[in-house]
Amino acid sequence: AQSVSQHNHHVILSEAASLELGCNYSYGGTVNLFWYVQYPGQHLQLLLKYFSGDPLVKGIKGFEAEFIKSKFSFNLRKPSVQWSDTAEYFCAAFTSGTYKYIFGTGTRLKVLA
Amino acid sequence: GAVVSQHPSRVICKSGTSVKIECRSLDFQATTMFWYRQFPKQSLMLMATSNEGSKATYEQGVEKDKFLINHASLTLSTLTVTSAHPEDSSFYICSASPTGLAGGPWEQYFGPGTRLTVT
Repeated sequence: AQSVSQHNHHVILSEAASLELGCNYSYGGTVNLFWYVQYPGQHLQLLLKYFSGDPLVKGIKGFEAEFIKSKFSFNLRKPSVQWSDTAEYFCAAFTSGTYKYIFGTGTRLKVLA
Repeated sequence: GAVVSQHPSRVICKSGTSVKIECRSLDFQATTMFWYRQFPKQSLMLMATSNEGSKATYEQGVEKDKFLINHASLTLSTLTVTSAHPEDSSFYICSASPTGLAGGPWEQYFGPGTRLTVT
């Protein structure tokens, strides 16, 4: 079955620390991968997406993600987090066969000032 | 641009009553809207896909008679939870896909969600 898994449910970092959130997907066909962010009290917003081409994709607010096909992974990274990055992050796959999003369980990031 | 609103943001209702949640695309038209449900510490699960002017398509395991979806216009979809029970308590999120799909079927804009508590 198609699935997306996020390994870290809660992450606490100090400002300026580096961030890496893990995401693995399980799907045999063509899949498009996304990271969404949900700030407290706000709606889901798109951070970045991968369709094809360069496996290292850059998104908004200094975030990037790397698609590693052999590992079925799409980890999110940011070299130096800020307090304002405190939010919940969702990895998601959009499958071409079903035209539906499959979301991971989310990772709550708390950045300490 | 591309703002989706939901109303109400929070609702508490008694067991056995029905509650309606509205999802509106404020600055674009959406032929297709989606309803998701999020349980605590779990992912968003797609409940149903609604297309303006036609019946919604429900995901496996979702009771269509319990979760009534109406997409009567290009900017409004409603989800009615009928005869609500405590197990229906959850966070309901809608999303809207702009008509014309300029970006592709993945392009969805999400509402802020509605917290439903059934007592």
